Amino acid sequence: QKEVEQNSGPLSVPEGAIASLNCTYSDRGSQSFFWYRQYSGKSPELIMFIYSNGDKEDGRFTAQLNKASQYVSLLIRDSQPSDSATYLCAVRVGGGTSYGKLTFGQGTILTVHP
Amino acid sequence: KAGVTQTPRYLIKTRGQQVTLSCSPISGHRSVSWYQQTPGQGLQFLFEYFSETQRNKGNFPGRFSGRQFSNSRSEMNVSTLELGDSALYLCASSSGQPTDTQYFGPGTRLTVL
Repeated sequence: QKEVEQNSGPLSVPEGAIASLNCTYSDRGSQSFFWYRQYSGKSPELIMFIYSNGDKEDGRFTAQLNKASQYVSLLIRDSQPSDSATYLCAVRVGGGTSYGKLTFGQGTILTVHP
Repeated sequence: KAGVTQTPRYLIKTRGQQVTLSCSPISGHRSVSWYQQTPGQGLQFLFEYFSETQRNKGNFPGRFSGRQFSNSRSEMNVSTLELGDSALYLCASSSGQPTDTQYFGPGTRLTVL
């Protein structure tokens, strides 16, 4: 079982729709969760981070965390063609020496079509 | 604030050679993490340096090494290059605290022929 798994893509949604990206993780000691967006040929760009159970909203983005189910998701409302990219879920396990290590999922390719 | 910078942006090497990549973190950040990204394996953690000490290490062979200087700039070195080392090498900068986030540089694209 992979440490961090994302829903297989590619995911295609029409402009204006809600895109839902999902991620599960295996280590119950995981404490910090991140979503990055990566455009083709570019480096990952931080979108959201979440540490506590529940929802966290930032503009059109909402991150949801359920530690009991070991599940984190990202919702993109009113999707735009400019949201078309690969979305990476990253997890950091708690504890001293783990601070600098993120474990990434394989990424989900999102395409928003006009 | 200036972002994370990486040099060089592109490199072409041949098998058996060695290479050194450089990363300058965001001003004030003391942690630099290195990752390798390939189409097959995705983003994989190499190692992290904090205050000139390697604090964490991933599952890569000893050919991959790094160091950090007193100004927090970091270098990673790959010796005896193999074809499979062709990848995008990314460094990420953070303050190094438990709840901090990592910000990535533009990456160095290494091609091994």
